[in-house]
Amino acid sequence: EIVLTQSPDFQSVTPRAKVTITCRASHVIGTTLHWYQQKPDQSPKLLIKYASQSFSGVPSRFSGSGSGTDFTLTINSLEAEDAATYYCHQSSSLPWTFGQGTKVEIK
Amino acid sequence: QVQLQESGPGLVKPSGTLSLTCAVSGASISSNNWWSWVRQPPGKGLEWIGEIYHSGSTNYNPSLKSRVTMSVDKSRNQFSLILRSVTAADTAMYYCAVTVNGEFDNWGQGTLVTVSS
Repeated sequence: EIVLTQSPDFQSVTPRAKVTITCRASHVIGTTLHWYQQKPDQSPKLLIKYASQSFSGVPSRFSGSGSGTDFTLTINSLEAEDAATYYCHQSSSLPWTFGQGTKVEIK
Repeated sequence: QVQLQESGPGLVKPSGTLSLTCAVSGASISSNNWWSWVRQPPGKGLEWIGEIYHSGSTNYNPSLKSRVTMSVDKSRNQFSLILRSVTAADTAMYYCAVTVNGEFDNWGQGTLVTVSS
């Protein structure tokens, strides 16, 4: 099973700041890494697929990069509505797995 | 856009069977997609349970494989999850989702299932 480890677990950030969340895979997974945003009491929503492809309707301040084992989700100019928990997910090898999540709080 | 809606009992007794259905709209369940179940215990992270294709082919998480069965009902455009011998550890929000090319493009709103006597 591929283990995904996110860092940090929690981040408190001021509005308009830049946020960087990393996801490290226990094995090489190419670019089969996806990012989701989950706001309180809501279901997860796809932000980025295949490491760097933005999903339809996602604001341009969200971007992704990386390949192999190391990946990054970047939020440029954080807005209040971005307060959420962010998860990475790999679809390289069954069983599909998720990172433990990174909670982003707005200061 | 594909929309998904979970339904089923919100309370299941220990050692009982959890049974959920996901109704699909905006797409045919016979389209070239996989249909998944993901769960999230209260205050915790996401766990993939398994997926099914319209042909009936399935992939299950090995951690749950012995207790899980998924099925598709093409006539009702829906798919289902059965989880047997439940314990308190199975208490969670259960989501259904559609997988287009590996990623989970759309999710249902989720249904909370509590295992308690």
